[in-house]
Amino acid sequence: QQQVKQSPQSLIVQKGGISIINCAYENTAFDYFPWYQQFPGKGPALLIAIRPDVSEKKEGRFTISFNKSAKQFSLHIMDSQPGDSATYFCAASMYRGNTGKLIFGQGTTLQVKP
Amino acid sequence: GAGVSQTPSNKVTEKGKYVELRCDPISGHTALYWYRQSLGQGPEFLIYFQGTGAADDSGLPNDRFFAVRPEGSVSTLKIQRTERGDSAVYLCASSLTGRTNYGYTFGSGTRLTVV
Repeated sequence: QQQVKQSPQSLIVQKGGISIINCAYENTAFDYFPWYQQFPGKGPALLIAIRPDVSEKKEGRFTISFNKSAKQFSLHIMDSQPGDSATYFCAASMYRGNTGKLIFGQGTTLQVKP
Repeated sequence: GAGVSQTPSNKVTEKGKYVELRCDPISGHTALYWYRQSLGQGPEFLIYFQGTGAADDSGLPNDRFFAVRPEGSVSTLKIQRTERGDSAVYLCASSLTGRTNYGYTFGSGTRLTVV
């Protein structure tokens, strides 16, 4: 119940294309869903996050789509660039629990070809 | 400081030895977290400090792992009798409070290799 399942494991996209990464969760107590970007040798960095009271959040080229009934959420990267090549992690947390503990997905390695 | 600082960045140790990993959080952040990231996996929660106390240590895998934060700032993760399976990147994060969206910032991690 504490798991967050992420797919695909790896993704290759042409420059300018759309990258889509999907996540699913079981625990309905989760109410905060961030996405993290990680470059080799660095820690994860927050990219964008959503609460379940909205179905979509957009920040620049990055959009989270959230489906509460299906317990799924996804990250869309529009106009993908070679600089977006990194590992992406979805995560979930219980915002109201005030513990800050994040449950991460397994990660998706994105390669954007020039 | 400007970010979360972790030292050393790399640590190689022999099986059975004791190691200490240090985390220096962002100044003013009361919450501090340790995660472990195995190769090709997402970070896995180990322990959460609010101030000086461990508010949630449910992720520590066994009693060989221990962490302290005696003055509510710097934290040390201690691993006794290291095993090859402990090899991973150990990440530290800090946040303003215990809320996940209040400046939750990760350090670059310590890569621990047990040989």
